[in-house]
Amino acid sequence: DIQMTQSPSSLSASVGDRVTITCRASQSISIYLNWYQQKPGKAPKFLIYAASSLQSGVPSRFSGSGSGTDFTLTISSLQPEDFATYYCQQSYSAPYTFGQGTNLEIK
Amino acid sequence: QITLKESGPTLVKPTQTLTLTCTFSGFSLSTSGLGVAWIRQPPGQALEWLALIYWNDDKRYSPSLESRLTITKDTSRNQVVLRMTNMDPVDTATYYCVHTIEVFYYFDYWGQGTLVTVSS
Repeated sequence: DIQMTQSPSSLSASVGDRVTITCRASQSISIYLNWYQQKPGKAPKFLIYAASSLQSGVPSRFSGSGSGTDFTLTISSLQPEDFATYYCQQSYSAPYTFGQGTNLEIK
Repeated sequence: QITLKESGPTLVKPTQTLTLTCTFSGFSLSTSGLGVAWIRQPPGQALEWLALIYWNDDKRYSPSLESRLTITKDTSRNQVVLRMTNMDPVDTATYYCVHTIEVFYYFDYWGQGTLVTVSS
């Protein structure tokens, strides 16, 4: 199985901050990397696919980059509705594993 | 508009078999390139991919759970069924039914999830 490791596990930031979350794969996954946002008690929301392609309707302050084993999710200017848990997921090969999540909290 | 909804028991006893049904609308599993997956999330923990079935009846399972899982589809009824045998308290989780596309295998539409508790 391909292991996905996110860092940090938790992050405190303020509205307007620029934040970056990192995801590392245990082997090369090309650009087969997706990002999701989850709020408490809700199903995850799909944000980014193929490492850097924004899903329709997702605000442009979200961006993704990377290839191979190292990837980042960046939020350019945090908004109140962005405080949530973020997960990366590899879709290179089954089983399609997720990272352990990054909890983004209000400072 | 794509929607998915999970249904099934909220409480099962250890050793019992769990059967969950995903009923969806807005797409057909007879359409090339589409699939439906099951993903679960224990309380306070991360997401775990379980199984996936494609339009052509190709199936994929998590290796760690493969011996306990069966995924099937009923295209005419727009349903996908997941069976998990020999349930254990560690299987307590919210189970999600999710739409996926074969090109990049991302999970773009999610059901609301159903919490299944395993307890005697």
